[in-house]
Amino acid sequence: NAGVTQTPKFQVLKTGQSMTLQCAQDMNHNSMYWYRQDPGMGLRLIYYSASEGTTDKGEVPNGYNVSRLNKREFSLRLESAAPSQTSVYFCASSEGRETQPQHFGDGTRLSIL
Amino acid sequence: AQSVTQLDSHVSVSEGTPVLLRCNYSSSYSPSLFWYVQHPNKGLQLLLKYTSAATLVKGINGFEAEFKKSETSFHLTKPSAHMSDAAEYFCVVNMFSGGYNKLIFGAGTRLAVHP
Repeated sequence: NAGVTQTPKFQVLKTGQSMTLQCAQDMNHNSMYWYRQDPGMGLRLIYYSASEGTTDKGEVPNGYNVSRLNKREFSLRLESAAPSQTSVYFCASSEGRETQPQHFGDGTRLSIL
Repeated sequence: AQSVTQLDSHVSVSEGTPVLLRCNYSSSYSPSLFWYVQHPNKGLQLLLKYTSAATLVKGINGFEAEFKKSETSFHLTKPSAHMSDAAEYFCVVNMFSGGYNKLIFGAGTRLAVHP
C-alpha cells in the first residue's frame, strides 16, 4: 500500500547541475502533479498531468520540465539548477483531473548551493 | 479569483484543551474546501473536505470544520488536543482553471501541543 513514492528523499546540487526527481503512484490514478513548498507560502503547483500523455504548466513552471512516462510515473527535471529552486518538492495524484482529493508523497528536499 | 488566508501562523495549546485553527477563503462561486495536515518530513494527509453537502464536516482524528458562507470561513476545530496533533495544517480551496481542479493552499498554521 505504497500510494505515492518519491525519490530521492534528499539531494544537494551545485548551481548549474541538472537533476530529475522521480514520482510513481500505484493507485491507478489518471492525474499527477508536482508542487514546491517554500516557508510561509504553502504549496504551489509547478506542472500537472491530467492524464497519460498530457502535461500542462501550473503556477510556477519556469526552470522546470516534466515527463509523464506512463500512467504510473511523472518526473520533474531541473535542467540547470539555481539557488532559488531550493525547496521541498511534492508529487501528488488523483483519480481524475476533476477529482479530489489529491494523495501526496513524502517529498524530496532539494538544496542548491 | 480564489484565495485562502490562514489567520494564525502559529498556535500553541496544552494537551487536553480545544484546538481552533482559523481559515478564511475568497471564491467567486461555491467552493470545495479542504484541510490537510503535514507531520515533520512527511507529505500532506487529507483531514477533511467540504463539497457543498453538510456545512459541518467531520474528519479523521477527531477534527471537524464548519463552512460558514456568510463569514467566508472554514475553521478547523478539535475538542481536546493530543500530543500527536502537533503538525502543520493547511487550509485549501479548489480552483477551476482550464476545466481542471487546482488546489490553492493557505500559508499554513503550525500547531504546537504542550504537556
